[in-house]
Order: sequence, then structure tokens, then C-alpha cells
Amino acid sequence: NAGVMQNPRHLVRRRGQEARLRCSPMKGHSHVYWYRQLPEEGLKFMVYLQKENIIDESGMPKERFSAEFPKEGPSILRIQQVVRGDSAAYFCASSPQGGIQYFGAGTRLSVL
Amino acid sequence: QQQVKQSPQSLIVQKGGIPIINCAYENTAFDYFPWYQQFPGKGPALLIAIRPDVSEKKEGRFTISFNKSAKQFSLHIMDSQPGDSATYFCAARRKETSGSRLTFGEGTQLTVNP
Repeated sequence: NAGVMQNPRHLVRRRGQEARLRCSPMKGHSHVYWYRQLPEEGLKFMVYLQKENIIDESGMPKERFSAEFPKEGPSILRIQQVVRGDSAAYFCASSPQGGIQYFGAGTRLSVL
Repeated sequence: QQQVKQSPQSLIVQKGGIPIINCAYENTAFDYFPWYQQFPGKGPALLIAIRPDVSEKKEGRFTISFNKSAKQFSLHIMDSQPGDSATYFCAARRKETSGSRLTFGEGTQLTVNP
């Protein structure tokens, strides 16, 4: 049973480009969470999704950031027009019916 | 009121020592408190978790102590080993079954010297 899979592991973008981060939850998990970790800081909640629904997006910046979890395929965190302040590690977690959260290895985004 | 405060920021102990990491919270709606361990370049991994209806929980060398009245909880690592060197995060969640988000502490970087 594979764990939470995130790709890419590392992503480099220039200012103004778009970043797409993918997360495939563990088998049987229908709940996905995205967290952001800035250097030397803890993880900050961004968004919580179930299949085809956004349940809680209170941690998402109001502009440029969006997330989806379609019926088929991975969850996507999309950052439009990236800025240097978006450089961080983005972690996805999944859980079965809102239980214990299991984390992926993260995507490290660097904005040049 | 959603914050979880964690201390110390970093901790160095000798092999065999007992590092203690402390966390405090304000929101009394929190009722599930996990600890995560994170190695460099990896995602956080669940270590141990506790609910406020118990005062202590042990799993192997890891123990959580919980003080509900003080709204504090701590992680103790018995007989620490160099392989325990990692960053440790406490977290809190309002209800385990509701799928609510985790609120994390700022993390403690633990170094266990041989």
C-alpha cells in the first residue's frame, strides 16, 4: 500500500509563472489536506478537500492560489503568477474519513 | 486562539538522555493532540497521539504527558539515540472524526549526540 505520493519533489519557477503541485492520497483515503512550510517554521494549514468538494479553504491566500480534488486523478494545488514569497515546502496529507493524517514527502518550490 | 506554542526551538542531548518538548494551547475545543517527527527532506510522520481524557500515553520510548487544566502537553523520549535526531512538531485538532485541520507548533530541532 503506497503512501501519499507528491510530485514533483522539487519545482523551480520564475516569478510570474504557474506552479502545479500534485498529490495522490493513500489508497482508500478520500480526504486531502494541503499545508505549507516556510523555512525554519511549522506547517500552516491551507485547504481541506474531499472528492470534488472544498471543505475548508480558510488557510488559502485569497488570490493566485487554488486547489481541486477531482473525482478521478490526484489533488492539484495551483499557484498562479508565483512570487518569491511562495518559495516553501508544500505538503499534502490524506486521511480516511477525516481520521489520522498521513503526509507525503512534499514538494519544494523555489521561485527565482 | 488557534495557536499552539512549542518550546524549546532547539534541543541538544547526549545519547541516553531524556529530551522533553513542551506545548501549550488556548483553544479548549481541541481534543486530539498528535506529535509528528520530521527528518530533513521528508514529510512529517505521526509518532504518537493523545486525547485529553488520559494524562499519559506511552509507545515504546516515546511518552506524552497531558495536563488538561493547564492546557499543556509534552513529549518525552526515553533513552534517546542519535537516530532520534529530527524536528518534532506538536499539533492539535478539534475533533478527530470531523476531518478538521491540524494546527502545528513551531517545531523543535532535536540533536542527540553519540
